Amino acid sequence: AQSVTQLDSHVSVSEGTPVLLRCNYSSSYSPSLFWYVQHPNKGLQLLLKYTSAATLVKGINGFEAEFKKSETSFHLTKPSAHMSDAAEYFCVVRGYSSASKIIFGSGTRLSIRP
Amino acid sequence: KAGVTQTPRYLIKTRGQQVTLSCSPISGHRSVSWYQQTPGQGLQFLFEYFSETQRNKGNFPGRFSGRQFSNSRSEMNVSTLELGDSALYLCASSQDSNTEAFFGQGTRLTVV
Repeated sequence: AQSVTQLDSHVSVSEGTPVLLRCNYSSSYSPSLFWYVQHPNKGLQLLLKYTSAATLVKGINGFEAEFKKSETSFHLTKPSAHMSDAAEYFCVVRGYSSASKIIFGSGTRLSIRP
Repeated sequence: KAGVTQTPRYLIKTRGQQVTLSCSPISGHRSVSWYQQTPGQGLQFLFEYFSETQRNKGNFPGRFSGRQFSNSRSEMNVSTLELGDSALYLCASSQDSNTEAFFGQGTRLTVV
């Protein structure tokens, strides 16, 4: 069985400071992991993905995430927040087999203070 | 390259009616999946189709059904609409299971 837990429902940071959005997963097999972003009234956009290659994954807009198997974590980070980063972020897990369901985390709303 | 297209963008229906939503995937993508997004339940997986076959199904009642055509376009149908079916319905396409999914803008369904 698979599951994903986003540890914070809301994160607020000041512009120019680092961002950390936390995600823990559970999967019986080697999972594929994704981070998506959703801006208000918009669809979901893929930020980055992990599919068993390099454990440090770089995505768009300066975001990156590190896959840590020992901690079953896939936290999303960015060195310096920008006002345009304010959005909802979703961590997603999917197992290796084609029969594996796609599981979304509950989402983390990121707010950026000027 | 065109993205995932969902039609219509907005829809208002009355309780008890049925509704059909459409999704055109990115050219060459054979997998189409559907999700329901509500403020209370977040994003929930409805089902996935691959090469015209339903490959995965979420925990939704039988009123929710879908199909995929030979050109990979997919439709989702909800019968006997309930107020609780009001939501944003998102469609995503991907080349296959483990590749990234690209999402459409969604169809916002309001049931009154």
